[in-house]
Amino acid sequence: AQRVTQPEKLLSVFKGAPVELKCNYSYSGSPELFWYVQYSRQRLQLLLRHISRESIKGFTADLNKGETSFHLKKPFAQEEDSAMYYCALSGNNAGNMLTFGGGTRLMVKP
Amino acid sequence: SQTIHQWPATLVQPVGSPLSLECTVEGTSNPNLYWYRQAAGRGLQLLFYSVGIGQISSEVPQNLSASRPQDRQFILSSKKLLLSDSGFYLCAWGLAGSDTQYFGPGTRLTVL
Repeated sequence: AQRVTQPEKLLSVFKGAPVELKCNYSYSGSPELFWYVQYSRQRLQLLLRHISRESIKGFTADLNKGETSFHLKKPFAQEEDSAMYYCALSGNNAGNMLTFGGGTRLMVKP
Repeated sequence: SQTIHQWPATLVQPVGSPLSLECTVEGTSNPNLYWYRQAAGRGLQLLFYSVGIGQISSEVPQNLSASRPQDRQFILSSKKLLLSDSGFYLCAWGLAGSDTQYFGPGTRLTVL
């Protein structure tokens, strides 16, 4: 069975501070990991995926298979980063289903 | 371009009443379709997914059912709502073979 855990329900940082949203997963095969974000009054949307190895809005995430983690990081948080962040995993399944973590609400204070 | 619609946006229903939430996708063919429930503090839970017309897979046993009468239409239903069915329901679509999903605006359901 696959599982995604986001240990922090709420993370509060000051503007300009580094931020790290933790994500750990459990999956026996080779997973694909994603971060989705939901800004206030907006739809849930894809932020980044590990396979792309890209930086979106200053955020990066590295898949660490040894620690089974996919933490989301940004060196200098901005107020507009305040949102709900979900880590998700896709295993090898016919329906391309995603398993989501419980989500972390990031609050960036001025 | 592709778009996904959900309605209604909000719904307040009494316990024991029926439910029908609708989701439609435009601009693509034969998408994978998904229903999720977003409960407070519990993240996103996959309820149903469909890879084609009339093909529904259920991920959790519950009071709800889903149907896909047309290629780009996905319906979430219940014959008798429970208090525990309250939540925010999200529909999503994705291309077959792709892991990226695109979400609708959601329906806020309150069961009283």
